[in-house]
Amino acid sequence: SQQGEEDPQALSIQEGENATMNCSYKTSINNLQWYRQNSGRGLVHLILIRSNEREKHSGRLRVTLDTSKKSSSLLITASRAADTASYFCATDQDSGGGADGLTFGKGTHLIIQP
Amino acid sequence: EAQVTQNPRYLITVTGKKLTVTCSQNMNHEYMSWYRQDPGLGLRQIYYSMNVEVTDKGDVPEGYKVSRKEKRNFPLILESPSPNQTSLYFCASRAFSGGAVEQFFGPGTRLTVL
Repeated sequence: SQQGEEDPQALSIQEGENATMNCSYKTSINNLQWYRQNSGRGLVHLILIRSNEREKHSGRLRVTLDTSKKSSSLLITASRAADTASYFCATDQDSGGGADGLTFGKGTHLIIQP
Repeated sequence: EAQVTQNPRYLITVTGKKLTVTCSQNMNHEYMSWYRQDPGLGLRQIYYSMNVEVTDKGDVPEGYKVSRKEKRNFPLILESPSPNQTSLYFCASRAFSGGAVEQFFGPGTRLTVL
């Protein structure tokens, strides 16, 4: 079942600007992860934030998590043309030890214009 | 190099002709899963496996089979493919420690069923 929903579906910005993508989900989670996918290729893990964390940084990436609102945001600062890709949030649900894997949203397609 | 491999990468076949997409990981991960990715629908989980000889249905299992006879391999079997199974398929694996861990994805298999 679809859990995370990214917003916007597509985003086009100029190189050097910041890009912000949002993700909303429905059920309790253990953690939330962001993945990147270049056209037609496999997903690559970017960053993980646990349910008891509120903010996390990794290089030019900044992720926030608001469990009260069941939402997360991914900020890419100083964007580059190479950041052009689709970005997916994935929730690791708090299913009491079950292992039904990650549930992915539909993704945000980010285009960085040079 | 830690990786998930899939074969074939591209496949065009006809309705009803049985096919198998192989998936192998070299990270000794317990957990493996298959996803399909379709435009506008994001990634949907087909089947997953928590360990050898342990498999379970994901969100869209109809028309697919899997097996997990060895820890490293998790083939996806389409006994009688139909055109609605035309899609981009991804295999993924992760350690199952009960904690927060990322998934590693294969490069994808683009399947066309005529």
